[in-house]
Amino acid sequence: GAVVSQHPSWVICKSGTSVKIECRSLDFQATTMFWYRQFPKQSLMLMATSNEGSKATYEQGVEKDKFLINHASLTLSTLTVTSAHPEDSSFYICSGGGGNTDTQYFGPGTRLTVL
Amino acid sequence: DAKTTQPPSMDCAEGRAANLPCNHSTISGNEYVYWYRQIHSQGPQYIIHGLKNNETNEMASLIITEDRKSSTLILPHATLRDTAVYYCIVRVGAGSYQLTFGKGTKLSVIP
Repeated sequence: GAVVSQHPSWVICKSGTSVKIECRSLDFQATTMFWYRQFPKQSLMLMATSNEGSKATYEQGVEKDKFLINHASLTLSTLTVTSAHPEDSSFYICSGGGGNTDTQYFGPGTRLTVL
Repeated sequence: DAKTTQPPSMDCAEGRAANLPCNHSTISGNEYVYWYRQIHSQGPQYIIHGLKNNETNEMASLIITEDRKSSTLILPHATLRDTAVYYCIVRVGAGSYQLTFGKGTKLSVIP
């Protein structure tokens, strides 16, 4: 299957700082990228959907000013957690889809810990 | 998207076939059945998907009933590395559409 990478794989930051997570589709063009969040022992929850060159669409309850998403190219999307707080600590996972593929492929995830 | 129902957990002996059921009685005609799995602390891995015909790839087989109201994912020879949470999701067949994850089935492969 297609490959999606995420960077970094884990990050620890202080409360109040911002963290950027990169998501890249390595061998396909992802016209649509998705960002999910997963808390311990829970399932994945969709945070937002972004189409290349357009503003992201956020799910209800997700603050668009706190979770900034940029999808500037068909192979790169970034999620910036601004002014992170301990409650933002979670496992963040991206996926790519669209283009010539009828499914989504997921990145390995980024573990964010906010102290 | 149609809702799915899966057992919360299953055990399978190593080397035996693992059969994971999924009910999707409200599936629409244009919705596919997708299967993903998530090994602990990793991103979900795509396994297989199908519309109405049975499908097989190098990882698994997907059996969909004729009325499409249920399906079974078959891992022919389960190994310890197949221990994971398996998600059955129904969705229109386009990569630009979101996937909605339920609780899935926790498959434990036992030596």
